Amino acid sequence: NAGVMQNPRHLVRRRGQEARLRCSPMKGHSHVYWYRQLPEEGLKFMVYLQKENIIDESGMPKERFSAEFPKEGPSILRIQQVVRGDSAAYFCASSDRSEAFFGQGTRLTVV
Amino acid sequence: AQSVTQPDIHITVSEGASLELRCNYSYGATPYLFWYVQSPGQGLQLLLKYFSGDTLVQGIKGFEAEFKRSQSSFNLRKPSVHWSDAAEYFCAVGDTGGFKTIFGAGTRLFVKA
Repeated sequence: NAGVMQNPRHLVRRRGQEARLRCSPMKGHSHVYWYRQLPEEGLKFMVYLQKENIIDESGMPKERFSAEFPKEGPSILRIQQVVRGDSAAYFCASSDRSEAFFGQGTRLTVV
Repeated sequence: AQSVTQPDIHITVSEGASLELRCNYSYGATPYLFWYVQSPGQGLQLLLKYFSGDTLVQGIKGFEAEFKRSQSSFNLRKPSVHWSDAAEYFCAVGDTGGFKTIFGAGTRLFVKA
């Protein structure tokens, strides 16, 4: 059973471009969470999704950020018009009813 | 609201010495509690978790943690630290469904020879 898969592992974008981060949950998991880790900081919750539904987006910035988890395919975290402050590690987790399993993260660098 | 506090930003211990990392949580019911470790540039690895039962929990790599409800604490301990334990350690609390996990700010452990 493969773990949570995130790709790409590293992503470089110029200011103003779009960043798309993908997360494939563990087999059988229908709950996905996205977290952001800024340099020298802990993980901050962004959004919680179930298949085709956003359950809790209380940690998402109001603008430029969106997330989806379609019926088929991976979850996508989309950042439009990236700025330097978006540079961070973005972690995805999927859950059964007892524990969240984390991916290796995508490190976004905005230049 | 749920919250997790790790009061120590950095800790330095000598190799072979004992270690205790502090964690306090705020949660309205019996929480699910976790400790994760993150090596530089890497993802998160689960060290141990507490859901119910015995309040002393054994984890991987020789770590253990004790849940103390009266103190709202879940401190991580290791009797003898190895240089390879140098990393960032995160305490986390999950809701009863384990779905949404809230993390502390982390404690960075340095190990000196």
